[in-house]
Amino acid sequence: NAGVTQTPKFRILKIGQSMTLQCTQDMNHNYMYWYRQDPGMGLKLIYYSVGAGITDKGEVPNGYNVSRSTTEDFPLRLELAAPSQTSVYFCASSYGQSNEKLFFGSGTQLSVL
Amino acid sequence: GESVGLHLPTLSVQEGDNSIINCAYSNSASDYFIWYKQESGKGPQFIIDIRSNMDKRQGQRVTVLLNKTVKHLSLQIAATQPGDSAVYFCAENMKAGGTSYGKLTFGQGTILTVHP
Repeated sequence: NAGVTQTPKFRILKIGQSMTLQCTQDMNHNYMYWYRQDPGMGLKLIYYSVGAGITDKGEVPNGYNVSRSTTEDFPLRLELAAPSQTSVYFCASSYGQSNEKLFFGSGTQLSVL
Repeated sequence: GESVGLHLPTLSVQEGDNSIINCAYSNSASDYFIWYKQESGKGPQFIIDIRSNMDKRQGQRVTVLLNKTVKHLSLQIAATQPGDSAVYFCAENMKAGGTSYGKLTFGQGTILTVHP
C-alpha cells in the first residue's frame, strides 16, 4: 500500500490565485483530515470527513473548501490564496469512528506571495 | 479553549541516554492520547498511544505515562539513538459534542536532538 499520497509537494502561489491540494489513500479508511502546520507550531485541523459525501469544519476552515466524492480522495481547495495560508498542509486518514492513529501524508509546502 | 502544551520546546541528549518528553493537557474529557514523531520534511509518524483508563503503556524502546491527576503525559525513549532526532508531538482526542467523532488537538512539539 502506498498509504496517504499528497500532491504537489511544493507550490508557490500569487495572492488571489486558486489551487487544489490533492490527497488520496489506498487503505480504505472512512475518515480523512486536512491539517495545516505553521512554523514552530502543532497541527491545526482545517476540515475532516467521516465518509464519502460527508465533510465538516475543523478548527481553522476559513479560506478553504473540501469535497469527498469517493472514499479514496479528499481534495482541499484554496479559492483566493492569501499570505496567511502559507503553511505546510498534511492530509491524514484513519480507520474508525475516532481519529485514533492517523496516518499522514508527506505534506505539501505552500507559499503565497 | 482546550489545548495541549509541551513543557520543553527543545531537548538535547547523548546517544545511549534515556529521553523524556513531557506534555500537559487541560481537557479532562479527553480519553485518548497519542505521540507522533516528525522528521524533517516528512509527515508525522505514529509512535504510541494510550487511553485514559491506563497509566502506562510500553512499546519498543518507548513508554508513555499518563497522570490524570495532574493532566500530564510523558514519552520516554530508552537508549536514544541519532535516528530518534525529530520533533515529537503529543495530541489528545477530544470527543466532539458527545459523539464518537473525535478531533485531535496537537501540542506545539518538542525538538529532540541526539548527539553521537
